Formats: sequence, structure tokens, C-alpha cells
Amino acid sequence: DTEVTQTPKHLVMGMTNKKSLKCEQHMGHRAMYWYKQKAKKPPELMFVYSYEKLSINESVPSRFSPECPNSSLLNLHLHALQPEDSALYLCASSPIERGGRGETQYFGPGTRLLVL
Amino acid sequence: SQQGEEDPQALSIQEGENATMNCSYKTSINNLQWYRQNSGRGLVHLILIRSNEREKHSGRLRVTLDTSKKSSSLLITASRAADTASYFCATDSYTGGFKTIFGAGTRLFVKA
Repeated sequence: DTEVTQTPKHLVMGMTNKKSLKCEQHMGHRAMYWYKQKAKKPPELMFVYSYEKLSINESVPSRFSPECPNSSLLNLHLHALQPEDSALYLCASSPIERGGRGETQYFGPGTRLLVL
Repeated sequence: SQQGEEDPQALSIQEGENATMNCSYKTSINNLQWYRQNSGRGLVHLILIRSNEREKHSGRLRVTLDTSKKSSSLLITASRAADTASYFCATDSYTGGFKTIFGAGTRLFVKA
């Protein structure tokens, strides 16, 4: 299985709502990532988990809260978002190579989020 | 912040022609990768080149890396309409964790 799945595909939420994005992979990868992508822009790294521990937080506002409950799952909890948070949210996973050289990331199809 | 800068921003060619995209970056890297994205969908990995490699091939793809100039190029030969997509370079560096920074991307249009 070389697939990263993300649910939901689309999400519309109000600024007072609480919702969660989910990501799952069964490739045995021990690094998982959240990216945010605005239209016609490149993906921007938000969070990196290595061995289920948060290793990078790119100064993301606290209204985004990541969680890695186990090595296959990655969640992104959303609360009190702003309209400018509307974007495509991409999850990715990769093996962790000794020496930290980085490896190929496998991306899910993304969740398209609209905040009203 | 975006480390990789790509040019051209958009490229339109005829089917059968070659397409060349360039990427420049600013800091030391462990490797550089190229990804393709079709119309707002997930990214598909194309090729990874390590910092100690200079050239790599995969099918119709050829990637070069010049670490002295901090630049890379992606060549797609004999392009097809199905190659129409956005292409991103992404640099990997290790700073307490694996950090990936994507370039601005090149939007390629291949006309049939």
C-alpha cells in the first residue's frame, strides 16, 4: 500500500467551529507532515512529526493543533479559524533515513478547506 | 519563507517539444526533489537528487544539480499533453528535523 489518504476531501466551516482533518498511511513511514497550500502558490510546511513526536512547528498559529496518535495517523485539529485559513491542506509521509538526509515524501490528495 | 525560486513561472510548448525548468535555492541542502501537481490535487514525486550527485535520469526526465551555483534543472523530453501540470522543486535540509521548502513552481502547458 503506497497511498496516503486524507479525510474529508472538502470541508466548509464557520469561524466558531471545531473540526479535524485526518491523514493515514500504512507504508511504515515514521515521518509525517502537514502543509498548507493557497491557490497558485507552493505548499508551505506547517508541522513535521518524527517517530510520533513533533519535531518542527513552523510558527503556526495555535488555532491549528496537530496530533499524531500513532505511527499511521496524523490529525490536524482546527478551532476558531479565519477566512484567510481557507486553503488546500496536504498531508505527506516519508521514511526516516539514517543521517537525516531526507527522503521522498508521499502526498495525500489534500483537504480543501473553506472558512466562512 | 520560500527558499527555492523557479523559472520560468509559466511555460507553454507543443507536444513533442522538450521542457526545461530551473530552480535556485539559497542555503545548503541535503537533497533536492522535483514534484508534479495536477490542478490543485496532491503532489506526485518525480525524482530525488542528493547533494553529492550531479545528474539523474528517470524515463523522460533528466535532473541536474549544481551545488556551487545552488541551482537545479528539470528537463522533460518529448512532452505530452498529459505532462500539463505545475512542477515544484523542493529542498531538504536537516535542522533538528527534516525541513522541506518548496519553490514557487513552474506551470507547464503542453498543447496537443
